[in-house]
Amino acid sequence: EVQVVESGGGLVQPGGSLRLSCGASGFTFSSYWMSWVRQAPGKGLEWVANIKPDGSEEYHVDSVRGRFTISRDNAKNSLYLQMNSLRAEDTAVYHCVSGNNMDVWGKGTTVTVSS
Amino acid sequence: QSVLTQSSSASGTPGQGVTVSCSGGSSNIGRHAVNWYQQLPGTAPKLLIYSNNQRPSGVPDRFSGSKSGTSASLAISGLQSEDEADYYCATWDASLNAWVFGGGTKLTVL
Repeated sequence: EVQVVESGGGLVQPGGSLRLSCGASGFTFSSYWMSWVRQAPGKGLEWVANIKPDGSEEYHVDSVRGRFTISRDNAKNSLYLQMNSLRAEDTAVYHCVSGNNMDVWGKGTTVTVSS
Repeated sequence: QSVLTQSSSASGTPGQGVTVSCSGGSSNIGRHAVNWYQQLPGTAPKLLIYSNNQRPSGVPDRFSGSKSGTSASLAISGLQSEDEADYYCATWDASLNAWVFGGGTKLTVL
């Protein structure tokens, strides 16, 4: 079964850092684009970042560029999102998404930025 | 303000058909294929339609997608109560170098 499972969310103060992780199973992780998509409470979906199968290219939405960094470890079938200089508006459920069409979504991990 | 524009709500009665529209521009829908996602209450989104009109295995043929120019549509026929969900369109934007989503359409089955 194709599956992605996120971890690493939590409560962090404004200006703080957090590293999200995503473990993948059931498919050839190293063959697919991977993405992070977030959903703020009561709001719609917002794509955050994606990374090429071999990790050689990555893209980030303007609102997080310079603060967040997506990365992957194909040997560990894992995806990461390093989040620095966190703001209240980054509060959301963060979903790990696999596939070139953003095919398979994890249940998400909750990040709350608050003092 | 989303790059892709969707009506905020839609409704229909069981057995009816309903269409959800998604409007974009030349750098997104006009250039790239559109996906549709279904988010049932309290759950993660699920890919419903990819590449404008392709259904992943397991998605009923009551769901169909189409694209014309800078607009796309999701059609649902034979509405069922379990179709009550939020529906999002998405595509790659070549100018932003980013995936962009519509604001979502909340479908109510009356």
